[in-house]
Amino acid sequence: NAGVTQTPKFQVLKTGQSMTLQCAQDMNHNSMYWYRQDPGMGLRLIYYSASEGTTDKGEVPNGYNVSRLNKREFSLRLESAAPSQTSVYFCASRSLAGANNEQFFGPGTRLTVL
Amino acid sequence: SQQGEEDPQALSIQEGENATMNCSYKTSINNLQWYRQNSGRGLVHLILIRSNEREKHSGRLRVTLDTSKKSSSLLITASRAADTASYFCATAGGNDYKLSFGAGTTVTVRA
Repeated sequence: NAGVTQTPKFQVLKTGQSMTLQCAQDMNHNSMYWYRQDPGMGLRLIYYSASEGTTDKGEVPNGYNVSRLNKREFSLRLESAAPSQTSVYFCASRSLAGANNEQFFGPGTRLTVL
Repeated sequence: SQQGEEDPQALSIQEGENATMNCSYKTSINNLQWYRQNSGRGLVHLILIRSNEREKHSGRLRVTLDTSKKSSSLLITASRAADTASYFCATAGGNDYKLSFGAGTTVTVRA
């Protein structure tokens, strides 16, 4: 099992450009999450999908959109990138919505917006 | 806003010593989890303690939870160079068990 995979690993964008970060999990998990991590801070939740067909805003959703394409895949889109979106983005998954269990994280995408 | 706050922000210890870090949070929780992050990598789950548990062990890890004080501690015994990493506490609350992370404790284990 590959676990949670993310593409790309690194990306440099110019202000105003758009891009989609891809995430896939092969653990048959129901819930998936997108976080951003800025220097000296913990992870902040951008959007999540408790189960296939549902998405909800997290703590910092402005400037982002998401798509739960199917049970395996959850993408994050930046429509018009801004320097404030320079960050490391992590995708995570969890086996059951509404259950006492842990999240599994991908390796991250390092995004720089110039 | 972030729920958990870790203390200290950074910790440097000698190999073989114990490392203790603390986490405080603000609202009621279903569970509290600890994660490790090696430099440039994703987070790895270490241990989960439920709100009705007071102490839990996993290998060299010991976690305590005091819900009356809204605090938790993570103890790593007999530390190794490989334990050098950042450690994050994360609280899960509400019906959807979303995680809220603290800013982390950076642990350096000196050989």
